[in-house]
Amino acid sequence: DTAVSQTPKYLVTQMGNDKSIKCEQNLGHDTMYWYKQDSKKFLKIMFSYNNKELIINETVPNRFSPKSPDKAHLNLHINSLELGDSAVYFCASSQENRGSEETQYFGPGTRLLVL
Amino acid sequence: DQQVKQNSPSLSVQEGRISILNCDYTNSMFDYFLWYKKYPAEGPTFLISISSIKDKNEDGRFTVFLNKSAKHLSLHIVPSQPGDSAVYFCAARAGGGADGLTFGKGTHLIIQP
Repeated sequence: DTAVSQTPKYLVTQMGNDKSIKCEQNLGHDTMYWYKQDSKKFLKIMFSYNNKELIINETVPNRFSPKSPDKAHLNLHINSLELGDSAVYFCASSQENRGSEETQYFGPGTRLLVL
Repeated sequence: DQQVKQNSPSLSVQEGRISILNCDYTNSMFDYFLWYKKYPAEGPTFLISISSIKDKNEDGRFTVFLNKSAKHLSLHIVPSQPGDSAVYFCAARAGGGADGLTFGKGTHLIIQP
């Protein structure tokens, strides 16, 4: 069983469209994340959610909005897609416990191409 | 501003020899460091980690060394195997809780037969 799964794996869409990427984890973790890997291959944190509460939000445009229907899911909605949104988006999860050594586990990635 | 730097984009090592991947960081608040391995078209896979209170952590063929005064860590793989060919990312976190990881740009390790 895949611990962290994402759908779709590939997404090709036109500029201006609205799209969603889904993420599910079956590890029982209470924190989930979205990362973006751009053309320069940097992996950068976008959001994290802990018990349905947004914990951090880096300088991400408000066209991006995470939605967590429950602890096992964190979906990423993107409105008015732009060319620069083309990237690989990774979902991750971890069991947070302040002061301990938590490891984040990553999904396989969603390759988004905006035309 | 890159807080985690992997200055070698690629590294080629002969099978059976030791692979040493390096990582430097600038943020003195980082207290937990991780190495991830990534194959093409897959997500990063956790490999090994080290807390800032330690200077070495070993797991099988993989050992991570941390030099806090130099703000430097390294991953040693010995002996290197063909399946080790992948991109290796160094990552760091500041503080506990639901903080995101700060990643380096990665080093592409190629194991030559």
